[in-house]
Amino acid sequence: ETGVTQSPTHLIKTRGQQVTLRCSSQSGHNTVSWYQQALGQGPQFIFQYYREEENGRGNFPPRFSGLQFPNYSSELNVNALELDDSALYLCASSIRRGAGDVYGYTFGSGTRLTVV
Amino acid sequence: DQQVKQNSPSLSVQEGRISILNCDYTNSMFDYFLWYKKYPAEGPTFLISISSIKDKNEDGRFTVFLNKSAKHLSLHIVPSQPGDSAVYFCAATPHGSSNTGKLIFGQGTTLQVKP
Repeated sequence: ETGVTQSPTHLIKTRGQQVTLRCSSQSGHNTVSWYQQALGQGPQFIFQYYREEENGRGNFPPRFSGLQFPNYSSELNVNALELDDSALYLCASSIRRGAGDVYGYTFGSGTRLTVV
Repeated sequence: DQQVKQNSPSLSVQEGRISILNCDYTNSMFDYFLWYKKYPAEGPTFLISISSIKDKNEDGRFTVFLNKSAKHLSLHIVPSQPGDSAVYFCAATPHGSSNTGKLIFGQGTTLQVKP
């Protein structure tokens, strides 16, 4: 059973650029969530994808967007990068059972994004 | 608006002793709580969870206590080992059909276990 894998592990971008981060879900998981963790803080929920649609969003602007693919892998896209976007971006996969609860949150190791 | 708070940024204990990490929450809709451990350069690793229908859950050296009236939970590690040194995050989520699977995290507590 493979865990959650994220790529790349580190990335440096210039302010104003766009970035795409990738995540492969754990086998058997059908839901993926993205979190932003700034230095010294806990992870902050960005959004969640289920059945290839956004299903819940945190307090992040529209320039943060995502995709979920039929194989349950996912991308996080951030446009017009700002210096404050520098953070660790974590992907978590889980199992959603119908319209009910979500279980088995498993996190990847994250992508460290630095915006200069 | 910090709905989950870990008021102690750090904790240092001696190997073999008990570590107690605390977490407070404000949202009464939270009914499922999780503890994660995080080492540098790794993602958070699930440790233990508790549902609001319980007040205690044990798993080996780890026990989580939930006091719903006080909106407080704690993680006890007994006995503490040097390998337990990491950042510990408390997280909460409302279960049920309205749940989007959103975890609300505290700021984390850095635990150092000294040999």
